[in-house]
Amino acid sequence: NAGVTQTPKFQVLKTGQSMTLQCAQDMNHNSMYWYRQDPGMGLRLIYYSASEGTTDKGEVPNGYNVSRLNKREFSLRLESAAPSQTSVYFCASSGRNNSPLHFGNGTRLTVT
Amino acid sequence: DQQVKQNSPSLSVQEGRISILNCDYTNSMFDYFLWYKKYPAEGPTFLISISSIKDKNEDGRFTVFLNKSAKHLSLHIVPSQPGDSAVYFCAALNLLNGKLTFGQGTILTVHP
Repeated sequence: NAGVTQTPKFQVLKTGQSMTLQCAQDMNHNSMYWYRQDPGMGLRLIYYSASEGTTDKGEVPNGYNVSRLNKREFSLRLESAAPSQTSVYFCASSGRNNSPLHFGNGTRLTVT
Repeated sequence: DQQVKQNSPSLSVQEGRISILNCDYTNSMFDYFLWYKKYPAEGPTFLISISSIKDKNEDGRFTVFLNKSAKHLSLHIVPSQPGDSAVYFCAALNLLNGKLTFGQGTILTVHP
């Protein structure tokens, strides 16, 4: 039982490059989330998906797109990376509306 | 507009003593408050939560207190242990939209 798995663990991009961060959960959870963590800012919600087939914007969606491919997988795409997107990205999932989120171990992204 | 605030970036405590981590919020519509703990290079893990209709919840060494009139909550850890050294995030959940909003985090260091 792996929980929430994120790939890759580390990534370095040049400004303007694109990439997709992958996330998968094996807990049969309905809801999935993407957060970014920056020093002094805590975790900020980028996008979330309350159920398969739906996605909604969070606090900081600009520059990102998401796909809820199926119940297990929720990917985050940067179409044209910018240095301001240098951050640690966390994927999370939850089963019911008020149940705690389970987080992956993060992807550390650097954009130069 | 930071709806959940942890005003102390860091806290240092002696082993065996009490650790008190504080959190303030501005939105009265939050339904649950949660505390997460994060070790380096790992994702946050759920620690303890409290419903907005309660004023106290206890789980072993961890107790969360909620003062709704002051829009303030605190996490008490007693006795503190060196293994408690981590970043602690306060978070608030709005059940209407399912969004979990995090504070900036407090780095707790417990000295042996």
